[in-house]
Amino acid sequence: NAGVTQTPKFQVLKTGQSMTLQCAQDMNHNSMYWYRQDPGMGLRLIYYSASEGTTDKGEVPNGYNVSRLNKREFSLRLESAAPSQTSVYFCASRDPGELFFGEGSRLTVL
Amino acid sequence: GQSLEQPSEVTAVEGAIVQINCTYQTSGFYGLSWYQQHDGGAPTFLSYNALDGLEETGRFSSFLSRSDSYGYLLLQELQMKDSASYFCAVRTGFQKLVFGTGTRLLVSP
Repeated sequence: NAGVTQTPKFQVLKTGQSMTLQCAQDMNHNSMYWYRQDPGMGLRLIYYSASEGTTDKGEVPNGYNVSRLNKREFSLRLESAAPSQTSVYFCASRDPGELFFGEGSRLTVL
Repeated sequence: GQSLEQPSEVTAVEGAIVQINCTYQTSGFYGLSWYQQHDGGAPTFLSYNALDGLEETGRFSSFLSRSDSYGYLLLQELQMKDSASYFCAVRTGFQKLVFGTGTRLLVSP
């Protein structure tokens, strides 16, 4: 049972490049989330999807787009990466009581 | 706005008891969760309190007082492996979870 799987685990981009972070869960959860984590800032919600076909903005959505491709998959896209988007990105899915996180994607934008 | 306050760092010795406090000011409240994160790892769920009182799970307990907008995580019989960051998080809506900035716990021999 893999839980929540994120790819890639590491990525280096140049300013202005685009990329997509992929996330898949095999726990049949309806809700999925994307968070970013910066030193001293905790986890901040970027976007979430309450169910297949719906997405909503979180605390820090600017510069990102998301797609809930199906119940299993929720992707995060950076259209034009900026150094301020250097961070660790976590995908999560939720059953009623708790969030299950992936191992994180470490993104550096030069 | 949303505000969750936790101490930035706590130190303790093996075998001791430590309490990590969390005070919150949020626009909605459905419950308080605690997560543990080891360096380089993913956050993992520890506990959830929707109602006032104490919840116990093994060596860990979590407390909530909704009238005081306050909760804490109590770790007993500390072990070296408990060295990690601990985050409180408030469910502000049916789907949204807002995290505090985390408390780094250092356990020494």
